[in-house]
Amino acid sequence: QKEVEQDPGPLSVPEGAIVSLNCTYSNSAFQYFMWYRQYSRKGPELLMYTYSSGNKEDGRFTAQVDKSSKYISLFIRDSQPSDSATYLCAMSAGGATNKLIFGTGTLLAVQP
Amino acid sequence: GAVVSQHPSRVICKSGTSVKIECRSLDFQATTMFWYRQFPKKSLMLMATSNEGSKATYEQGVEKDKFLINHASLTLSTLTVTSAHPEDSSFYICSVVTSGTYNEQFFGPGTRLTVL
Repeated sequence: QKEVEQDPGPLSVPEGAIVSLNCTYSNSAFQYFMWYRQYSRKGPELLMYTYSSGNKEDGRFTAQVDKSSKYISLFIRDSQPSDSATYLCAMSAGGATNKLIFGTGTLLAVQP
Repeated sequence: GAVVSQHPSRVICKSGTSVKIECRSLDFQATTMFWYRQFPKKSLMLMATSNEGSKATYEQGVEKDKFLINHASLTLSTLTVTSAHPEDSSFYICSVVTSGTYNEQFFGPGTRLTVL
């Protein structure tokens, strides 16, 4: 079993839709949860960073962590064509030198 | 954050040759940089942790003699793929951390390596 599972998609939605992206994980030691956005042929950029369980909102983006279910989500409201990209979840157990474990990424296409 | 560049962005080489990829932290002195490789529809896989002034730490299964990493200054780390083979073709991405935790990483734009 992979440590982090993510549906690769592709996910196609119309402009203005609410998008839900998800990851599950198996390592209960994970405490830090990140979402990165990666445009085609570019490096990932950090979108959201949360610690432990709960919600975090930043503009149109909301990150949700449910540690009891080992499940994290990223919601995008009022999706735009410019949101079309691959979204990667990443997580770590924390500590100064703990490495990130990435999901495979979900390819999102927002149709105008 | 940090602005990170990589050079070249794309390289095509013949099998058996060596290729050097540079990763530069443009606005931050990075003690630690990371090197990843990414296959289509696969996760980013950490190859090694590059520490300025010391030897890199390689992940299990990554051949240190094949993927040579040099972190000679606080703004530059290089990855040299020696005696490249077609199976080394991949997208190589570096990242830097700007705080004591490895959670917030700032990535370069990546280098697409194609070995013929």
